[in-house]
Amino acid sequence: DIQMTQSPSSLSASVGDRVTVTCRASQSISSYLNWYQHKPGKAPKLLIYAASSLQSGVPSRFSGSGSGTDFILTITSLQPEDFATYYCQQSYSNPPYTFGQGTNLEIK
Amino acid sequence: QVQLQESGPGLVKPSQTLSLTCTVSGGSISSGSYYWNWIRQPAGKGLEWIGRIYSSGSTNYNPSLKSRVTISVDTSKNQFSLKLSSVTAADTAVYYCAREDRSAWYFLDYWGQGTLVTVSS
Repeated sequence: DIQMTQSPSSLSASVGDRVTVTCRASQSISSYLNWYQHKPGKAPKLLIYAASSLQSGVPSRFSGSGSGTDFILTITSLQPEDFATYYCQQSYSNPPYTFGQGTNLEIK
Repeated sequence: QVQLQESGPGLVKPSQTLSLTCTVSGGSISSGSYYWNWIRQPAGKGLEWIGRIYSSGSTNYNPSLKSRVTISVDTSKNQFSLKLSSVTAADTAVYYCAREDRSAWYFLDYWGQGTLVTVSS
């Protein structure tokens, strides 16, 4: 299986901050990397697909970059509704798809 | 707007079979553009992909669960289902169903809100 490692596992930030979350794959996955936002009790929400493509309806303060093994999710100008857990997921190999362990973004 | 909703028993006894159904609304499960997935999340842990099905009935499963998992589809009801046999406490988790776009890049674009299944006697 392809292992996905996210860092940091948790992050404290303030409204208006710029934050980055890193995801590393155990082997090259080209650009088959997706990012999701998850809030407790709610359905996970797709933010970014194909490493850098913004899903329709997602605010432009979210962006993704990277290819191969190293990827970054960037959120510029944090808003109160952005505090959540973020997951990366590789869709290069199936089976199985694998997710990062998550990054919990908390209010400082 | 596509919506997915999981349903099924919230409590299952050890060694029994967990059965869940995902009902899709706002779109046809028979559309050739999508796979239909199951994912789970044990409390305090990350997301684990269980498997997926295409409208034709073709399936892919996580090798770690393959011997116990069956995913099926009922296109007449616009539903797909998960069965997980011989459950233990380790199968206690929130179970999600999700739609996967298979057009070029594979991503899970719509998810259900999840349903908690507890394995306990």
